[in-house]
Amino acid sequence: EVQLLESGGGLVQPGGSLRLSCAASGFTFRSNAMSWVRQAPGKGLEWVSGISTDGGATYYADSVKGRFTISRDNSKNTVFLQMNSLGAEDTAIYYCAKMGPNNGWYEAFDIWGQGTMVTVSS
Amino acid sequence: EIVLTQSPGTLSLSPGERATLSCRASQSVTNNGLAWYQQKPGQAPRFLVYGATRRATGIPDRFSGSGSGTDFTLTISRLEAEDFAVYYCQQYGSPPTWTFGQGTKVEIK
Repeated sequence: EVQLLESGGGLVQPGGSLRLSCAASGFTFRSNAMSWVRQAPGKGLEWVSGISTDGGATYYADSVKGRFTISRDNSKNTVFLQMNSLGAEDTAIYYCAKMGPNNGWYEAFDIWGQGTMVTVSS
Repeated sequence: EIVLTQSPGTLSLSPGERATLSCRASQSVTNNGLAWYQQKPGQAPRFLVYGATRRATGIPDRFSGSGSGTDFTLTISRLEAEDFAVYYCQQYGSPPTWTFGQGTKVEIK
């Protein structure tokens, strides 16, 4: 079964940092680009960051550029999101998503994890 | 950056009725890189349609996507109880950004 399992969310103070992880299983992880998408409470979906199959290309939404860093470890089938300088506007459910259904960069998000909640509050 | 505008914001329909959801892009979507997702409360989004018209694996044929360029439509031919949810369109034809529309809620009338 194809599965993505996020972890690392929680409560953090403004200005703090958090590292999210997403463990993948059931598919050839190194063959697919991956992304993070977030959803603030009661709001819509916002793409946050994407990473190519080998990690050589990374992209960020303007709202997180310079604060968030995406990375991956293909030996552990895991993608990460390092989040620094967090503010209240970063409070959201963070979803990990596999880009597909084909193995390319110009892809939709065909598999989603269940998400991990990040709350930024003092 | 391509902006996607979905309409209507809310669609109130009865089971068995036809639902027509619109997604308009601020500029032409490259290679029809347009997808649709369904999201129910407390759940992750579910992949429905890609390439504007292709149903994802396991998606019932009552869901169909159409359109090209800047105007796209998701049609649900006969609404079933489990179809009442929020639907998002997304463009992926022009990386390095993957933008979503603001969503259309399909609610029971």
